Amino acid sequence: GENVEQHPSTLSVQEGDSAVIKCTYSDSASNYFPWYKQELGKGPQLIIDIRSNVGEKKDQRIAVTLNKTAKHFSLHITETQPEDSAVYFCAATSSFQKLVFGTGTRLLVSP
Amino acid sequence: NAGVTQTPKFRVLKTGQSMTLLCAQDMNHEYMYWYRQDPGMGLRLIHYSVGEGTTAKGEVPDGYNVSRLKKQNFLLGLESAAPSQTSVYFCASRSTSNYNSPLHFGNGTRLTVT
Repeated sequence: GENVEQHPSTLSVQEGDSAVIKCTYSDSASNYFPWYKQELGKGPQLIIDIRSNVGEKKDQRIAVTLNKTAKHFSLHITETQPEDSAVYFCAATSSFQKLVFGTGTRLLVSP
Repeated sequence: NAGVTQTPKFRVLKTGQSMTLLCAQDMNHEYMYWYRQDPGMGLRLIHYSVGEGTTAKGEVPDGYNVSRLKKQNFLLGLESAAPSQTSVYFCASRSTSNYNSPLHFGNGTRLTVT
């Protein structure tokens, strides 16, 4: 089955800096890659996703890139703000169309 | 429109006790899921349902049972709780089998088994 690895586990940046979180996946048949943000005490919420026929997608300050050959995808957050502090999860579809999640990255943005 | 509601929010059990976690969604979603979240392990799928009256095993189903008697409700049961089941449990739903429809999560149930 699918296996998703996520790095780093924690990431500290200064407000205004960029943050990058990377994930790799194992199943070459996976074709959908969402990113979820989890704030303290809440459930994860979808922030952006990308499909296998697209190499990059942007939504304001966040972007996701996908390299299908290398089987890795990344989340990029520019001009970070304190409200970006949260745990971020990447995910990929398994062969049975169930999402397999990475282990999460705790992002801390310091003012 | 409440979305996905989980009850209770917190619970402490003793080893061997049983309990049921309730998930309710008001979005008329067909698909519902139960995940557990543990430090350093992300979200792991316990059981899921593709419609009323149907359930299926996920990645870590042992020690849990589920039921989907009504479309809007998905129950997760622990028959004999063990300390290894201490975790935060999340319910999620989505509208179709389309893999790129987003999951909608509840706010979780924190369970401690002593």
